[in-house]
Amino acid sequence: ELKVEQNPLFLSMQEGKNYTIYCDYSTTSDRLYWYRQDPGKSLESLFVLLSNGAVKQEGRLMASLDTKARLSTLHITAAVHDLSATYFCAVDEGAQKLVFGQGTRLTINP
Amino acid sequence: DTGVSQDPRHKITKRGQNVTFRCDPISEHNRLYWYRQTLGQGPEFLTYFQNEAQLEKSRLLSDRFSAERPKGSFSTLEIQRTEQGDSAMYLCASSSRLNTEAFFGQGTRLTVV
Repeated sequence: ELKVEQNPLFLSMQEGKNYTIYCDYSTTSDRLYWYRQDPGKSLESLFVLLSNGAVKQEGRLMASLDTKARLSTLHITAAVHDLSATYFCAVDEGAQKLVFGQGTRLTINP
Repeated sequence: DTGVSQDPRHKITKRGQNVTFRCDPISEHNRLYWYRQTLGQGPEFLTYFQNEAQLEKSRLLSDRFSAERPKGSFSTLEIQRTEQGDSAMYLCASSSRLNTEAFFGQGTRLTVV
């Protein structure tokens, strides 16, 4: 059974700081997704990582995938308040059926 | 709007009542998925369809839950004899074999009182 674990689950940081969210998964997969979710809202797709060594960047967020280590990271650079949200990683079990991590609730303080 | 559409967005029901949710996928997407998300947790897979065929069901989908996709287009998820533990956000997503990802709808938030 595929398990996906995120670390940390809660993160409070100051604006302007850098931090990384980690996503570990238990079985082989070469597709991993990062989503953002605001309170009461649905999932907003951030990144789709499709191969080992994939790195994608959008604004202050950068995601990477190491399929050999079964690890993905979401790096936040010079955080701003607007990035406060819950971030989920999800691993494709096949046929785009996703197993999600528990989520990382990120709070960025002025 | 050509995204995944879910209806209703919110539903409050009394315990023991039946409820039905609808999902309209992106046009021509042949795969459709249902997930459930409880407060503070990540979404959990419930079931998925390829065209009108229901290919997989999670053990989370008890016999009170039934999903259909009669013509391979929209789908419905029915919960019979609702319980307070059914309170959650129900998310629908769709994809095609040509896509690298599934696209999520806005969700239906169910509250059982």
